[in-house]
Amino acid sequence: GESVGLHLPTLSVQEGDNSIINCAYSNSASDYFIWYKQESGKGPQFIIDIRSNMDKRQGQRVTVLLNKTVKHLSLQIAATQPGDSAVYFCAEKKGNTPLVFGKGTRLSVIA
Amino acid sequence: DTEVTQTPKHLVMGMTNKKSLKCEQHMGHRAMYWYKQKAKKPPELMFVYSYEKLSINESVPSRFSPECPNSSLLNLHLHALQPEDSALYLCASSQETGKQHFGDGTRLSIL
Repeated sequence: GESVGLHLPTLSVQEGDNSIINCAYSNSASDYFIWYKQESGKGPQFIIDIRSNMDKRQGQRVTVLLNKTVKHLSLQIAATQPGDSAVYFCAEKKGNTPLVFGKGTRLSVIA
Repeated sequence: DTEVTQTPKHLVMGMTNKKSLKCEQHMGHRAMYWYKQKAKKPPELMFVYSYEKLSINESVPSRFSPECPNSSLLNLHLHALQPEDSALYLCASSQETGKQHFGDGTRLSIL
């Protein structure tokens, strides 16, 4: 979905399908990127990170892809489960500067 | 359970009250952060402490006063807040570079 006004972009997927959440980052000099998952009533939870000298990193059921040419980051979740339903934020930073968060995407898993 | 502990989980206060939010971590992290998060929005950085010294203040109104008594504790003192200050206040910690670990926040409501 597209972000309009106060609404978060929403991605709805069937349980068991793969999910891809996209993020366009702003600073071409950023050298570190993180994906966070935030469930209702909780703080952001670290999922996976990647440094700018890499273009792909895999974790358990998750993969992050980095395309520095077009300043694009994506999070792939394999075999999406109901427990994956949350808001996902990408964040970028350069050196010791603070994290800058993207707008967020809500993932809804349909059982 | 998160490794960053925030208290209280919920706080309701009047505009003339004085209260404090507390944050604690025992991971040996030397950087600690306060963020404000409104509904459907990403966290917004307020303050950064590095080695117990305030290093970043993102032009936060003086009715918010941070304090870092030691390397494990971070407080946010609140006085004469406005209704628009109602939000989720998140604390985070990190090593000098790398991922930030977030607490589950304090849900603050100003009457």
